[in-house]
Amino acid sequence: AQRVTQPEKLLSVFKGAPVELKCNYSYSGSPELFWYVQYSRQRLQLLLRHISRESIKGFTADLNKGETSFHLKKPFAQEEDSAMYYCALSFYNQGGKLIFGQGTELSVKP
Amino acid sequence: GAGVSQSPRYKVAKRGQDVALRCDPISGHVSLFWYQQALGQGPEFLTYFQNEAQLDKSGLPSDRFFAERPEGSVSTLKIQRTQQEDSAVYLCASSSAGLKQFFGPGTRLTVL
Repeated sequence: AQRVTQPEKLLSVFKGAPVELKCNYSYSGSPELFWYVQYSRQRLQLLLRHISRESIKGFTADLNKGETSFHLKKPFAQEEDSAMYYCALSFYNQGGKLIFGQGTELSVKP
Repeated sequence: GAGVSQSPRYKVAKRGQDVALRCDPISGHVSLFWYQQALGQGPEFLTYFQNEAQLDKSGLPSDRFFAERPEGSVSTLKIQRTQQEDSAVYLCASSSAGLKQFFGPGTRLTVL
């Protein structure tokens, strides 16, 4: 079965520290992986997708097919990065429905 | 431009009541998705429309859940005989040709 696992429910770091939010997936085909973010009192929004290979707000994520991982990284965390982060998997041949992980709450302390 | 909108934003229902949740997607978006997000969990897929056709309803938890999109734009998710376990945030998302989904603010349903 297709599954996305985010092992940490809460990650707390100090401002300026590096951040890595972990995401592992199980899927036998060729997935598309995403990171979505939800800031306080805002709607869920796309942060980045692996196919774009871009850096958004200083965040990057590399798809590692060997380890079936798509960890989200940022070298220097900022207070405004505090939010809920969801890793998600999509299927090209199923209309694009998303399978989400349980989410990781990132708290960046001053 | 306007994003995805949902109404009502909050709904309180007594157990056994029927509820209807509305989603207005971004104009021109062909695909529309419904997700259910229980407290402390990630969103879970319910159903998917391409225009007016419901192509995937594999995530609907029971036959009490019904969704429609008769004219290929606005969609309604209906829950009959609500139960306490239906309490959740219901999210709607729309997308055009690509895979990027735009989410609405959600409807928080509380069943007493």
